[in-house]
Parts: sequence; C-alpha cells; structure tokens
Amino acid sequence: GENVEQHPSTLSVQEGDSAVIKCTYSDSASNYFPWYKQELGKRPQLIIDIRSNVGEKKDQRIAVTLNKTAKHFSLHITETQPEDSAVYFCAASGNRGSTLGRLYFGRGTQLTVWP
Amino acid sequence: DADVTQTPRNRITKTGKRIMLECSQTKGHDRMYWYRQDPGLGLQLIYYSFDVKDINKGEISDGYSVSRQAQAKFSLSLESAIPNQTALYFCATSDLFSRQGSTFGSGTRLTVV
Repeated sequence: GENVEQHPSTLSVQEGDSAVIKCTYSDSASNYFPWYKQELGKRPQLIIDIRSNVGEKKDQRIAVTLNKTAKHFSLHITETQPEDSAVYFCAASGNRGSTLGRLYFGRGTQLTVWP
Repeated sequence: DADVTQTPRNRITKTGKRIMLECSQTKGHDRMYWYRQDPGLGLQLIYYSFDVKDINKGEISDGYSVSRQAQAKFSLSLESAIPNQTALYFCATSDLFSRQGSTFGSGTRLTVV
C-alpha cells in the first residue's frame, strides 16, 4: 500500500516568517493530496488539497505544491500567525482496487508560531 | 459542525470490558472510517467501509470490530478493552473518490484502566 512520510515532526517559527512542511509518497498512482490542520483538542480539518493534474494551489496565506515525478508535495504557510499553531497532517489518496479513495496520513508536524 | 457525530465524547472503562463507540453522519457520504490517534503516531486507520455491505481492515484492526448498520451509521467495538487501547478515536466520512477530502467527527477520548 501507500506510504507517506512527513517532515519535520516539529517546527518553530517566529510570527511573520514562513513555514514549510514536506511529504513524500510511495505509490505513483496516488492522485489526491489533502492537508489537515488539527488544533489542540479538536478534530482534523481540511485546509487545502491538490490533485495530481495540478502543480500548485494557493488559498490566501497557504499554498501546496506537488512534484509527481519526485513523489513529493509540500505545504507553505506565509506570514505565519500564532493561530497557525497546530498539528498539520499530509495525506495521499489511494488509487488502486480496495484502497481507491482511502487516505494514507503522514505522522504530523507540530507547528508553533512564536509572537 | 454536527455533520459527523461521535458518541460518547469521553469514556473511561475497565480492562476486559466491551465497549462500543458510535458514529453517525448527515453528509450523505458512502464512505466511513475509524481512526486511532496516539501522540506522535498520527492517524492510524482501524477499519473502513465503502458502503453498507463493505468492510475493510485498516492498519491496526486487531482487537477491534466494526458494524455498518446503515449508510449513516458506523460503530467501532472493543470486545475486551486493554490499557494500550487508550487513545483518541476519530470517525470520518468521505464521498466517492474523496473528492472533498474526509470530514472528521469530534473524536472520542477513550481511557482503559
């Protein structure tokens, strides 16, 4: 099955700086890559996603890039704010047989934004 | 957001007891999932169901069972709870091909003593 690796596991940045979280995946057939934000004590919530036919997608201060050749995708947060502090998860969606549509998650990145 | 509802929110149970966690959804999604979250391990898939007659094991199904009673209901059972099943459990739903990602419930914090 699919294997998703996420780095770093923790990330601390100063308010206003940028943050980048990187993920790699193993199955070249995977075609959907969402990112989730989980604030302390709350449920994971989808913040942005990208499909394999697109190289980059932006939504205000967040963007995701995808390199299908390298099987690598990244989350970029610009002008970070303290409320961006959370755990971020990347995921890849299976595209074969019984794994079709199933999400495989990375282990998460704890982002802390210092004022 | 009450689209995906989990009950109970918190539960403390004793080792060896049977416990059921319930999930219901109003999103009309076909697909439902149960995940377990432990610190530093991310979200591990326990079981998933693509429709009422379809049940699939995930990465960590040992010690768990599920029942898809209806399109909108998916329950997770621990037949004989043990302390290392203490964790945060999430139910999630998605439509076919996860076109809009998965929607998670609020979670059930389970403690086995």
